[in-house]
Amino acid sequence: ETGVTQSPTHLIKTRGQQVTLRCSSQSGHNTVSWYQQALGQGPQFIFQYYREEENGRGNFPPRFSGLQFPNYSSELNVNALELDDSALYLCASSTGTSGPREQYFGPGTRLTVT
Amino acid sequence: AQSVTQLDSHVSVSEGTPVLLRCNYSSSYSPSLFWYVQHPNKGLQLLLKYTSAATLVKGINGFEAEFKKSETSFHLTKPSAHMSDAAEYFCVVSPNAGNMLTFGGGTRLMVKP
Repeated sequence: ETGVTQSPTHLIKTRGQQVTLRCSSQSGHNTVSWYQQALGQGPQFIFQYYREEENGRGNFPPRFSGLQFPNYSSELNVNALELDDSALYLCASSTGTSGPREQYFGPGTRLTVT
Repeated sequence: AQSVTQLDSHVSVSEGTPVLLRCNYSSSYSPSLFWYVQHPNKGLQLLLKYTSAATLVKGINGFEAEFKKSETSFHLTKPSAHMSDAAEYFCVVSPNAGNMLTFGGGTRLMVKP
């Protein structure tokens, strides 16, 4: 069984640029959630995708957007990067959306905005 | 609305001594509660979860947690710390009707030889 994978592992961008992060969910999982973890803090929920539709969103501006593909892999896109976007971005996959489901996390993408 | 407060940002113990990581939660409904561990350069790993069954929950690697509704607490314990337990630990709350996770700020556990 393949776990959750994310790419790239590290990324350096300049303020104002755009970035795309990728996530492959665990086999059999149809739900992907994205989290932002700033240095020294707990992860914060960005949004969740279920069967290619956004299924919930945290307190993040519209320049954070996402996609989920038919194979349930997912992308997180961030436009007009700001210095405060520097963080570890975590992807988690699970099955379904009702009830508390265990989420399996990938190792994350470390984004640095200069 | 829901929130989680981890009462200690850092905890230091000696190897072989007990571990106590404290967590208080706030929720307007009956929540599900989790503890996750994050080792450096590794993904978050689920230690244990409470989903309204038994209030004492046993997890992996000898960890357990007790749900106390009257105290709105979900503290994590382990009888004897091991060097490999050194990591960041997160207490997490989730509404039963969805799986958006709300994380606490984390507790860094240091284990001294």
